[in-house]
Amino acid sequence: DVQLVESGGGLVRTGGSLRLACVASGFIFSDYEMIWVRQAPGKGPEWISFISETGNTMYYGGSVTGRFTISRDNAENSLYLQMNSLRVEDTAVYYCARILGSGNHWGWFDPWGQGTLVTVSS
Amino acid sequence: QSALTQPRSVSGSPGQSVTISCTGTTSDIGTYDYVSWYQQHPGKAPKLIIYDVTERPSGVPDRFSGSKSGNTASLTISGLQAEDETDYYCCAYAGRYTWVFGGGTKLTVL
Repeated sequence: DVQLVESGGGLVRTGGSLRLACVASGFIFSDYEMIWVRQAPGKGPEWISFISETGNTMYYGGSVTGRFTISRDNAENSLYLQMNSLRVEDTAVYYCARILGSGNHWGWFDPWGQGTLVTVSS
Repeated sequence: QSALTQPRSVSGSPGQSVTISCTGTTSDIGTYDYVSWYQQHPGKAPKLIIYDVTERPSGVPDRFSGSKSGNTASLTISGLQAEDETDYYCCAYAGRYTWVFGGGTKLTVL
């Protein structure tokens, strides 16, 4: 089965740091672009970061630029999100997801992990 | 980027059809055909139900269909069933490896 499993969430004070991990199984991880998406309580999802298959290209949403860093270790089938300078508004469930498609048919997410909850408290 | 605009809620009776709209801009839905839809049950991860505007992944019933016109995408669910009652989100590519989601629509089956 194709599966993504996140870990690393928890309770942290404002200004603190956390590192999330996402372990992939059931597919060739190094063949796929990946993203992180978060969802605050009662809100819609928010795309926050993209990484290419090799890890050489990364993009970030405006709300996390300069504070979050995406990375991957293809040998370990793992995706990471280093989160620094955390704010109360970063409180959310964080999901990793695989990007599918190619060429002119591209850009949807499947599967998603089960999510890991990050709570930032002042 | 600003979130895509979806109605907060829609409702329909079993067997009826409902359509959920998703309005973006010329920077996302209006330019790219990379529109997808996700179904999310409470406490669960989003599940892909439509990709490439109109395509259904294997295993998704053909009661679910997607379309797009201009800056607006739509998800239609026909033959409503009780199990369809949950939240739905649209997502669109906005260029330069960025994406934007809708705020979500809660579907109630009366």
